[in-house]
Amino acid sequence: TQTVSQSDAHVTVFEGDSVELRCNYSYGGSIYLSWYIQHHGRGLQFLLKYYSGNPVVQGVNGFEAEFSKSDSSFHLRKASVHWSDSAVYFCAVSAIDMGYKLTFGTGTSLLVDP
Amino acid sequence: NSKVIQTPRYLVKGQGQKAKMRCIPEKGHPVVFWYQQNKNNEFKFLINFQNQEVLQQIDMTEKRFSAECPSNSPCSLEIQSSEAGDSALYLCASSPDWGSQNTLYFGAGTRLSVL
Repeated sequence: TQTVSQSDAHVTVFEGDSVELRCNYSYGGSIYLSWYIQHHGRGLQFLLKYYSGNPVVQGVNGFEAEFSKSDSSFHLRKASVHWSDSAVYFCAVSAIDMGYKLTFGTGTSLLVDP
Repeated sequence: NSKVIQTPRYLVKGQGQKAKMRCIPEKGHPVVFWYQQNKNNEFKFLINFQNQEVLQQIDMTEKRFSAECPSNSPCSLEIQSSEAGDSALYLCASSPDWGSQNTLYFGAGTRLSVL
């Protein structure tokens, strides 16, 4: 069984700050890792994903994430946030032998103060 | 921006009533997923399709849930007899193929309120 943990329910930063949203997972096999963003009242939008290769992956709007097998983590980062980045961010994992179903964390609500 | 279209955006039903929601996946996407997102941001996978065929589904809450993706028609998810606990955001997502399942394109969702 896959589990996904997003330890910070809420993060508040100022516009222009850097931010890191944390994601830890547990699963013994090969997995896919991804991040999605959900603005208020809207569906999820794909940000980026990792399966293999370079552990640092680039996504849309300046986001990147780094996979660490030793830490079982896939943290999301952005060097300089904008007020429009305020949203809920979800980390998700899936695995071939779990039928590719996504298992989501419970999200981190990011508030960017202008 | 996603081109997955979900209707209606909001749905209000009384307990015991039927609730039906629809989803038009992105053009050319044969894979469709339905998820339930509750107010605590917990996601529950419900069912997925490849073309018209059901690939995986949960034990759908005593069979109150049914879904289909007919050819040349919107996909649909129906709750036969709504319960208060069904109040949630129902998300439809599509994908261009099974192998790239990790990239799902979501619609805006149907928010169901069961009074």
